[in-house]
Amino acid sequence: AQSVTQPDIHITVSEGASLELRCNYSYGATPYLFWYVQSPGQGLQLLLKYFSGDTLVQGIKGFEAEFKRSQSSFNLRKPSVHWSDAAEYFCAVGVSEYGNKLVFGAGTILRVKS
Amino acid sequence: ETGVTQSPTHLIKTRGQQVTLRCSSQSGHNTVSWYQQALGQGPQFIFQYYREEENGRGNFPPRFSGLQFPNYSSELNVNALELDDSALYLCASSLETANYGYTFGSGTRLTVV
Repeated sequence: AQSVTQPDIHITVSEGASLELRCNYSYGATPYLFWYVQSPGQGLQLLLKYFSGDTLVQGIKGFEAEFKRSQSSFNLRKPSVHWSDAAEYFCAVGVSEYGNKLVFGAGTILRVKS
Repeated sequence: ETGVTQSPTHLIKTRGQQVTLRCSSQSGHNTVSWYQQALGQGPQFIFQYYREEENGRGNFPPRFSGLQFPNYSSELNVNALELDDSALYLCASSLETANYGYTFGSGTRLTVV
């Protein structure tokens, strides 16, 4: 069955420090991979997505992610974190079955300390 | 272009009652998907509607049902509410089913007491 694992429930980084959020997926076919961000009381905003091609994907707000097929990973990175990046981040895999759905990980809560 | 609008934003229901949540899809989008996000968890797929027909369903019981209207807006109905139904319900619209370009609404926070 398809699944997404985000090993870190919480991460705290200092403002200006670099960030890496981990994501591992399990899916038999070529994956469509996504990172979303959710601020408190808000819906999900798409940061970036990987469908094919270059394994390093650039997204909004200075985020990037690298697809590594050999490790079944799609880690999210940002070179310098801003206080406004504090939110919850979700990794998801697109599953093409009866309909097209997203299977999400449990999320990682990012705290930014000044 | 307008985004996805969900109503109400919050509501409280009693166990055993029924509830209807509403979603207006983004202009031009003909596909609506519903997700349940329990506290501390990622969203889970409930079902998808495409041109007024169910086009996919997750592992939810039949008391979760939906509708899509000719203007592509949608409703999620939950009968016989249980305490575990307390969650944030997210609606997402997209252009065609084979497109993962979802736009999510801000959700409806349902509390069952």
